[in-house]
Amino acid sequence: DVKVTQSSRYLVKRTGEKVFLECVQDMDHENMFWYRQDPGLGLRLIYFSYDVKMKEKGDIPEGYSVSREKKERFSLILESASTNQTSMYLCASSRTGANYGYTFGSGTRLTVV
Amino acid sequence: AQKITQTQPGMFVQEKEAVTLDCTYDTSDQSYGLFWYKQPSSGEMIFLIYQGSYDEQNATEGRYSLNFQKARKSANLVISASQLGDSAMYFCAMRERNYGQNFVFGPGTRLSVLP
Repeated sequence: DVKVTQSSRYLVKRTGEKVFLECVQDMDHENMFWYRQDPGLGLRLIYFSYDVKMKEKGDIPEGYSVSREKKERFSLILESASTNQTSMYLCASSRTGANYGYTFGSGTRLTVV
Repeated sequence: AQKITQTQPGMFVQEKEAVTLDCTYDTSDQSYGLFWYKQPSSGEMIFLIYQGSYDEQNATEGRYSLNFQKARKSANLVISASQLGDSAMYFCAMRERNYGQNFVFGPGTRLSVLP
């Protein structure tokens, strides 16, 4: 069964900590994405990557960085976590093309205290 | 301007009845895909159904069908014979050929199925 795996389902971190959210896919997809989801704000794109070592900013990249050293792995990094980064983080992957959908991971609920 | 509009923030439906969730979209691209996802309270996004802009027939997947009206730019999701497990958020999304690899998501509709 093909899948996208996010390393943690729930995470609690302290303000100022460096936080790594890991995402791994086993479908050989070129594209990987990180979204955050907040009540009333929907899904917002943070960063995406269309190839190894390539990254593009999404709509809300501030406070985040990403790393894609291998095709199957896309990491989201919170350099110095803040309380306003408490959110649900969703990773997704896909092939390129208008007829290809996203496959999502199960999400990580991050709480920054 | 919003590219995906879902005008129903919340919907109620009686168990075993059919329900239609609305979605309208805006694009100048000729080639695009329309998708519906379900998000239960657990948080995972589950793919339901896909409709290509050049598909002449409406897509169907089990109890899900997509009422695609290209001229009106609408792609409504129809769920037949609702079940309690259908209670969830439902997102309409679009992927355009000429605008990169990203999806555009609508704000979602929360469906509650009543016993």
